[in-house]
Amino acid sequence: GAVVSQHPSWVICKSGTSVKIECRSLDFQATTMFWYRQFPKQSLMLMATSNEGSKATYEQGVEKDKFLINHASLTLSTLTVTSAHPEDSSFYICSASRYNQPQHFGDGTRLSIL
Amino acid sequence: DAKTTQPTSMDCAEGRAANLPCNHSTISGNEYVYWYRQIHSQGPQYIIHGLKNNETNEMASLIITEDRKSSTLILPHATLRDTAVYYCIVPREDTGFQKLVFGTGTRLLVSP
Repeated sequence: GAVVSQHPSWVICKSGTSVKIECRSLDFQATTMFWYRQFPKQSLMLMATSNEGSKATYEQGVEKDKFLINHASLTLSTLTVTSAHPEDSSFYICSASRYNQPQHFGDGTRLSIL
Repeated sequence: DAKTTQPTSMDCAEGRAANLPCNHSTISGNEYVYWYRQIHSQGPQYIIHGLKNNETNEMASLIITEDRKSSTLILPHATLRDTAVYYCIVPREDTGFQKLVFGTGTRLLVSP
């Protein structure tokens, strides 16, 4: 159980375009979803926390207008990287949890901006 | 998070037990100890968590000292597929126990 699916697995796009990443909890209803970013040879860094039906809470230094998060249902959250630039290239990972249960992670999306 | 300290790396022979230590001396009474691992180029995988008592599941055992200032994750029979970075995390009470702060973890290499 506790399967979290993330799509796409990898994406390459041109600078200036927007990219949407989906995160789905397949076998449970997630009350909270989280978005992380991981640069090469570094650890995961939390970007934002999202509760269903409410606005996401962003960590310090993360631009909310650049990283748009929508959490429209208990099984789906999306992260849109707007006007992406090469410095946004990274490994983006989502996780989902139900109340105080452990977070379960997706397999990540590798984003490359040319 | 309650600051956790882990060794940077450890080696283990295939088939032997891997014992991964973690220090969390500033842990508060209501804070749990969580263990996750990340295999290269994948998302982290939940392993186990505990508060006071020792815990065991199909993946591992978690031994927490009586004063709760340290813990050990035990993989009883390590396989090559257990090679990964292992993270010991203590989510803070003032975040609703929600926020996971990933440190550098322990890089476990299981060799034949």
